[in-house]
Amino acid sequence: GAVVSQHPSWVICKSGTSVKIECRSLDFQATTMFWYRQFPKQSLMLMATSNEGSKATYEQGVEKDKFLINHASLTLSTLTVTSAHPEDSSFYICSAKIRGHEQYFGPGTRLTVT
Amino acid sequence: DAKTTQPPSMDCAEGRAANLPCNHSTISGNEYVYWYRQIHSQGPQYIIHGLKNNETNEMASLIITEDRKSSTLILPHATLRDTAVYYCIVRVGSATDSWGKLQFGAGTQVVVTP
Repeated sequence: GAVVSQHPSWVICKSGTSVKIECRSLDFQATTMFWYRQFPKQSLMLMATSNEGSKATYEQGVEKDKFLINHASLTLSTLTVTSAHPEDSSFYICSAKIRGHEQYFGPGTRLTVT
Repeated sequence: DAKTTQPPSMDCAEGRAANLPCNHSTISGNEYVYWYRQIHSQGPQYIIHGLKNNETNEMASLIITEDRKSSTLILPHATLRDTAVYYCIVRVGSATDSWGKLQFGAGTQVVVTP
């Protein structure tokens, strides 16, 4: 199946700083990419949907100014957590899909804000 | 998208078939049944999907009842590596929905024991 990578796989940052997470589709061009967040012992929660070259669509309750999403190309989307706080510590997972095909997930990025 | 109901957990003996039920009584005519699984601390993995006919692939079989209000995912010969949370998701199919958002529920924690 299609491969989606994320970088970094884990990151620790200090409160108040920003951190960028990359999501890449390695062997296909993704028409759409998604970002999810997962807290311990909870299910995945969709944060936003992004199409290449257009602004991301955020789910209700997700602060778009805090979670900046850039989908600059068909193989790369980035999520920047700005002014991170301890409550932003979570497992962030991206996924990518081609129109008419299934959604493939990255391995996730563990963010810890101290 | 239609809501799904799954048992929170189930155990299965290694080498035996694992039958995972899912209820989706409010499913619409154009909604597909998708199954994903998530092994601990990894991104979800696509398993199978179907509309109304039973489906089989190298990973599993999907049995959908005639009224489409419920389905069963069958792992024919469970292994220890099948221990994961299994998610049943109902949504408009990827062929018709260019965005293809997935809304994850709580899923079923499957533990395969030796």
